[in-house]
Amino acid sequence: QVQLVESGGGVVQPGRSLRLSCTSSGFTFSSFGFHWVRQAPGKGLEWVAVIWYDGSNKNYADSVKGRFTVSRDTSKNTLYLQMNSLSAEDTAVYYCARDFKGYGPPSDFFDYWGQGTLVTVSS
Amino acid sequence: EIVLTQSPGTLSLSPGERATLSCRASQSVSSSFLAWYQQKPGQAPRLLIYGASNRATGIPDRFSGSGSGTDFTLTISRLEPEDFAVYYCQQYGGSRTFGQGTKVEIK
Repeated sequence: QVQLVESGGGVVQPGRSLRLSCTSSGFTFSSFGFHWVRQAPGKGLEWVAVIWYDGSNKNYADSVKGRFTVSRDTSKNTLYLQMNSLSAEDTAVYYCARDFKGYGPPSDFFDYWGQGTLVTVSS
Repeated sequence: EIVLTQSPGTLSLSPGERATLSCRASQSVSSSFLAWYQQKPGQAPRLLIYGASNRATGIPDRFSGSGSGTDFTLTISRLEPEDFAVYYCQQYGGSRTFGQGTKVEIK
């Protein structure tokens, strides 16, 4: 069955960096685009970034543009989110989510989600 | 950016009752590119509805979505105990934005 498992979260000081990973199984990783969505404690959902199925296009929320980078490694069936210059406003559970549609431009809604990894930015 | 406003913030109902959740967009959502998700405490969201009215795989038919333009509705025809959760709408017609959520709680 489809599985997405995030890792890499933890406590990090403001201004520092962190890299999240999302390992997938149960489907053909290279056929799908992926997103990162975050949820601050007790708050709603915020879309963060998308990467196309072939890695050719990436897009970011304004709140993270220039600081976060999404990438993928097909040989490892793994999605990444490199987060730089972190601030307290980035504290959240980060979910990776599979785009509904395989190949081509993403559909931009999400049919499978990982369990999330908590990032806490605090001194 | 399209802003989605969900109402009510909290819906207090009993099992077996009908739940009607609203999602209003600040501007028209193109091609009814609207989805609904269910989230239970400590869990990831689960896709319920996409394209405003299409049920995702494995979603019971007591869940239905409707609407177009700026007004969308998620209806749960008869609440089961496992349906008490927070529900989010999301538009994907331009950027990708979520509503703030509606909590369906046991009365």
